[in-house]
Amino acid sequence: DSGVTQTPKHLITATGQRVTLRCSPRSGDLSVYWYQQSLDQGLQFLIHYYNGEERAKGNILERFSAQQFPDLHSELNLSSLELGDSALYFCASSVAGQGLVTYGYTFGSGTRLTVV
Amino acid sequence: GDSVTQMEGPVTLSEEAFLTINCTYTATGYPSLFWYVQYPGEGLQLLLKATKADDKGSNKGFEATYRKETTSFHLEKGSVQVSDSAVYFCALSDQNTGNQFYFGTGTSLTVIP
Repeated sequence: DSGVTQTPKHLITATGQRVTLRCSPRSGDLSVYWYQQSLDQGLQFLIHYYNGEERAKGNILERFSAQQFPDLHSELNLSSLELGDSALYFCASSVAGQGLVTYGYTFGSGTRLTVV
Repeated sequence: GDSVTQMEGPVTLSEEAFLTINCTYTATGYPSLFWYVQYPGEGLQLLLKATKADDKGSNKGFEATYRKETTSFHLEKGSVQVSDSAVYFCALSDQNTGNQFYFGTGTSLTVIP
């Protein structure tokens, strides 16, 4: 157990629907990162939150949004889902500041989203 | 900008063979370098890291040396096992570009008995 908890582990939904993926970071970590992993595009950085504030955006679609709550858990909302959104979605957490370059990320086990 | 280039896979080796997975990087500052491993159906796990030039990271028989002169961080293992079958990701973190990781595309390794 890495200490980063993601729920649900699997999600199957229809096109056009909306889903919410949840992530609880490792105890003491203030930063949460979301990544999408698909077969054809590898690991794509989506967004980074630090202590409730958005810090960086990557290749995140406008249909996707995220937030980090006061208890530091984060949610990734995916709406108007398309078949191409089927992927593994990973959350990672890290300590603040120098901790990232020293210790790296801790990843959760991911949510596998299948859009049918 | 910062980036990581990793050798293309997939790689298939026989048990006890020598493994090298090449990784080179581009960075504006002085990055830390990492190798992550992803076993089937699981998330990424940190395998090893090096935070400055000439450092050698090692874990579970895997090694990688941070070579600033060649901007490389190649992963090696002297004798692979079937249980090493996984996808390996090279990554860097550079404080000059904020708290963000840059990942390579991953290299799939299959070890056959």
